[in-house]
Amino acid sequence: GAGVSQSPSNKVTEKGKDVELRCDPISGHTALYWYRQSLGQGLEFLIYFQGNSAPDKSGLPSDRFSAERTGGSVSTLTIQRTQQEDSAVYLCASSFERGGYEQYFGPGTRLTVT
Amino acid sequence: AQTVTQSQPEMSVQEAETVTLSCTYDTSESDYYLFWYKQPPSRQMILVIRQEAYKQQNATENRFSVNFQKAAKSFSLKISDSQLGDAAMYFCAYRYLGNRDDKIIFGKGTRLHILP
Repeated sequence: GAGVSQSPSNKVTEKGKDVELRCDPISGHTALYWYRQSLGQGLEFLIYFQGNSAPDKSGLPSDRFSAERTGGSVSTLTIQRTQQEDSAVYLCASSFERGGYEQYFGPGTRLTVT
Repeated sequence: AQTVTQSQPEMSVQEAETVTLSCTYDTSESDYYLFWYKQPPSRQMILVIRQEAYKQQNATENRFSVNFQKAAKSFSLKISDSQLGDAAMYFCAYRYLGNRDDKIIFGKGTRLHILP
């Protein structure tokens, strides 16, 4: 079966441009998570979706970041007016539902802002 | 606020030897989950082992085992008979389920080198 997929794999963008990162979770997984991994750092939790709703958006670094999930499946993380400090690997994970179930991670999108 | 600390940025171990990676965490909650994840150069995060806080018995998965000390808030990972394929970044993670949220907090990681 297919795992979590993310696109694009790599993205290079100019400072000030908007970018969209996509995550396709495993079919049937109701919970979806976004993380950011900066160079030499651990994973920073950004946002969690249960179905289409995100109960807590406080992990998003700034109001330039937004995320949505439609149809309980695909999620998009949008970064507006990108800054160099946004350069990082953005990882998506999904799990069967919220709780102690294992999270399955995608391969990530490496974002470079020049 | 919950925090996860991995005090060893890098470690090395001889192939076939045993190595222990340290992790401490801080929380006021009593019910939570702890995980160790492995991230090889491919970037793919792989779950190595998990522990439910309410379980006193230490989790074991083949060559991987943990030493969970709830009172001390310590959660170390022991890798026995180290293999070259074990070389990776290892992340300790804490997961708490609130009424509505599902927060997972990761440590900064330990890079493990396996010496042939």
